[in-house]
Amino acid sequence: GAGVSQTPSNKVTEKGKYVELRCDPISGHTALYWYRQSLGQGPEFLIYFQGTGAADDSGLPNDRFFAVRPEGSVSTLKIQRTERGDSAVYLCASSLTDNTEAFFGQGTRLTVV
Amino acid sequence: SQQGEEDPQALSIQEGENATMNCSYKTSINNLQWYRQNSGRGLVHLILIRSNEREKHSGRLRVTLDTSKKSSSLLITASRAADTASYFCATALTPTQGGSEKLVFGKGTKLTVNP
Repeated sequence: GAGVSQTPSNKVTEKGKYVELRCDPISGHTALYWYRQSLGQGPEFLIYFQGTGAADDSGLPNDRFFAVRPEGSVSTLKIQRTERGDSAVYLCASSLTDNTEAFFGQGTRLTVV
Repeated sequence: SQQGEEDPQALSIQEGENATMNCSYKTSINNLQWYRQNSGRGLVHLILIRSNEREKHSGRLRVTLDTSKKSSSLLITASRAADTASYFCATALTPTQGGSEKLVFGKGTKLTVNP
């Protein structure tokens, strides 16, 4: 596609449920980032992939959060046993390589009730 | 934790005026980037300045970088109401001791341009 695509655009889930958020990066982009953004705050780094491997997952808040990118393209962010504090907009971005501009998707707004 | 700190947190100006936003950061960087965000969703890349550059221009945007002070500024000249948005600086870190070149964002400056 022409840009980074994130699905779903909105997700409402009950506390304790499992959710998956999907990111389709721009074709050919090797770097992929996941961020979480709360109202009035900047994007908070979660995890960064270079190809299929997680180059840096230091931003994942705890072991309920996990992300994969098995073929070096599409990535899925997985959240187990969701909590109300997980409610935020989850942003995905891709870039051609390291140290180049990142292109963002429109985000998935996750609401845990 | 967030690497960059933008200043001011909020800025309100009249159309036609210039807007200046500042960003300070803490560790060595490969480059510094500025992004714009409308309505809390996707961010749009504005400009990238590398650590060996001091100034860069793109249309009405001018970015400066002072690596000795670990700071950058974004100047928007002749502002328009359509420039109303949140602006973020992001630093691409220099990998040290096994760290990655992840892109880390500040908290942003909310710019309002009044018609």
